[in-house]
Amino acid sequence: DTGVSQDPRHKITKRGQNVTFRCDPISEHNRLYWYRQTLGQGPEFLTYFQNEAQLEKSRLLSDRFSAERPKGSFSTLEIQRTEQGDSAMYLCASSLSGGAMNTEAFFGQGTRLTVV
Amino acid sequence: SQQGEEDPQALSIQEGENATMNCSYKTSINNLQWYRQNSGRGLVHLILIRSNEREKHSGRLRVTLDTSKKSSSLLITASRAADTASYFCAPRGMDSSYKLIFGSGTRLLVRP
Repeated sequence: DTGVSQDPRHKITKRGQNVTFRCDPISEHNRLYWYRQTLGQGPEFLTYFQNEAQLEKSRLLSDRFSAERPKGSFSTLEIQRTEQGDSAMYLCASSLSGGAMNTEAFFGQGTRLTVV
Repeated sequence: SQQGEEDPQALSIQEGENATMNCSYKTSINNLQWYRQNSGRGLVHLILIRSNEREKHSGRLRVTLDTSKKSSSLLITASRAADTASYFCAPRGMDSSYKLIFGSGTRLLVRP
């Protein structure tokens, strides 16, 4: 399978615990994005990387959230001290770099987080 | 980057009918992309239309772009129950950010 892979697909955690999600992008894609989506809403942008550099972070991303892409391949998104409001689907996407005319993004299936 | 606004928010049609969804945006764009999302799944890229294109086809999908009106439409012809999904547009602005910003989408229900 050469698509974007996310792990785990589902995560249930108790409030206050830390969680970490992993995303493996399409191998030749050097851009990687994280989004969060709640029920009935569109995906909200969280952050994106070009290779290993984190180029942009949304103001939605509180200090409890951190993302890394250490070698420019897979990425992790960690949420510390989870809160019930963190319950959502976390989506990862990747794309090729290149001109602005060729930036379609490919999404993974998401990780559904439930904080109880 | 900028957000597209999809209209209508929800659409219910009979199988075999055509479905039209609209997207409006505010500033100049490089391209506009349409995505589909089945319930509980990731987004699937459907079509990318460049700012210098007016119409694009892919199978039963037809996308139009009117840059003077800052709007786009997605037409699905001969709809099938499997087309039931949420549809999102993502206009790519002229700024240097590569992120896509999504609106709330159009929820399409195709009744068998």
